[in-house]
Amino acid sequence: DARVTQTPRHKVTEMGQEVTMRCQPILGHNTVFWYRQTMMQGLELLAYFRNRAPLDDSGMPKDRFSAEMPDATLATLKIQPSEPRDSAVYFCASGSTGLGYREQYFGPGTRLTVT
Amino acid sequence: QKEVEQNSGPLSVPEGAIASLNCTYSDRGSQSFFWYRQYSGKSPELIMSIYSNGDKEDGRFTAQLNKASQYVSLLIRDSQPSDSATYLCAVNGANQGGKLIFGQGTELSVKP
Repeated sequence: DARVTQTPRHKVTEMGQEVTMRCQPILGHNTVFWYRQTMMQGLELLAYFRNRAPLDDSGMPKDRFSAEMPDATLATLKIQPSEPRDSAVYFCASGSTGLGYREQYFGPGTRLTVT
Repeated sequence: QKEVEQNSGPLSVPEGAIASLNCTYSDRGSQSFFWYRQYSGKSPELIMSIYSNGDKEDGRFTAQLNKASQYVSLLIRDSQPSDSATYLCAVNGANQGGKLIFGQGTELSVKP
């Protein structure tokens, strides 16, 4: 059963703490996307990777957010220091650029609450 | 103008009716179009993809694409209460690599 997995599913932390979210893309997929979803802003793209190389992180606040893909089976999104306005659901999605398709498959998300 | 716009919703239809969800996009060079369904508290789930003009049917779902009018729609036939969810339109624009631009979503409620 090929699925994107994300950990943790829920995270409550205090302002100023570091938060690390992890994502395991579907085996064989070569693109990974990080999104943030809030009621006000909807689904926003934060960053994405192709073949582990970062292609676009323009949606990410650079001073506190960082995204990496240390290997083909793991992508990470870190927030340091976290702020209450970072409270949202963070989704990871993966896809494949083979055959020109652009389908993306989402993980279950990490619900982050910063107090 | 937003890059991808959807009906503001919420859209309410009776069980058994046809639900029609609409989406317009601004990038004329867009090539790939998707519909995602998102239940409350869950992640978006890909339900339809369409790449060429015309209709594409999958069970009770039909996606329609008109590139000249920059318009894509999703029809749900014989709507069921289990179809109640938010439907997100997503577009892969020209020269966007693998990036998808999502609309704000349309909330659909199917009343028994």
